[in-house]
Amino acid sequence: EVQLVESGGDLVQLGGSLRLSCGASGFAFSGYEMNWVRQAPGKGLEWISFIDNTGKTTSYADSVMGRFTISRDNAKNSLFLEMNSLRAEDTAIYFCARDSITSSFYFDLWGQGTLVTVSS
Amino acid sequence: DIQMTQSPSTLSASVGDRVTLSCRASQTIGSWLAWYQQKPGKAPDLLIYEASNLETGVPSRFSGSGSGTEFTLTISSLQPDDFATYYCQQYQSDSRTFGQGTKVEIK
Repeated sequence: EVQLVESGGDLVQLGGSLRLSCGASGFAFSGYEMNWVRQAPGKGLEWISFIDNTGKTTSYADSVMGRFTISRDNAKNSLFLEMNSLRAEDTAIYFCARDSITSSFYFDLWGQGTLVTVSS
Repeated sequence: DIQMTQSPSTLSASVGDRVTLSCRASQTIGSWLAWYQQKPGKAPDLLIYEASNLETGVPSRFSGSGSGTEFTLTISSLQPDDFATYYCQQYQSDSRTFGQGTKVEIK
C-alpha cells in the first residue's frame, strides 16, 4: 500500500525541541520531492518546508526559517523535521506530503498527521 | 507571498445541488492551482491539479476551471460524502500557499 506515516508528535515546552519522522512505503521514495505542511487547531493549511529528492535542496516558510530543519534518509525511506525554539503558534498537526512525480508543487499523497502541542 | 482567498467561507447545500466554490489569487498564477478536500480528523485529499485536471480516482462530478487569478471548483450533484472543507493551493511560486478553506455543510 502506498502510504506515509508520521510519528514523533508530543507535548513540548515553550522553547523546546522535537523531531518528527515520516515513513514512506509502497512507492520509490528516493524519486520524490517531499514536504511538511501543518494545520493549527481549527485553522487552515500552511506549507512549511520542502526537500528535493536528493536532500540537497531545501526551502522553508518564513514562519519556521532558522528554527526548523528538514532532512531525509532515502536508504530508510524516511523524512524528518527537526524543530527548535518552539513557540505556542507552532502547535498544530504536522503532515508530511509528497510532491507529484512531475515535480509540480502540489501534494498528491499525505500522511495522517502527528500532533505537536507547545505549552508553557 | 501570493495570497489565496476563498469564498464563501461556509456554504450550505442539499444533496443533489450543484455547488460552486471560488478561489482568487493576489497575483496571476497561470493554471498552477490545486484543490483538496478535507474531512474532520483526516488528511487532505487531492481532487484537482493544474486548475482543471481531475486526479485519478476522483469522481467526475468534481470539476475545476479558471486561470490567472480566478478559479472555481464545481460539484455537479452534491453527494453525502462531499460534505467537507475544500482548500485551494497555488504552486506558481516556491512558497506555496493555501486559501483559508470553504466548508460545505448540510442545509
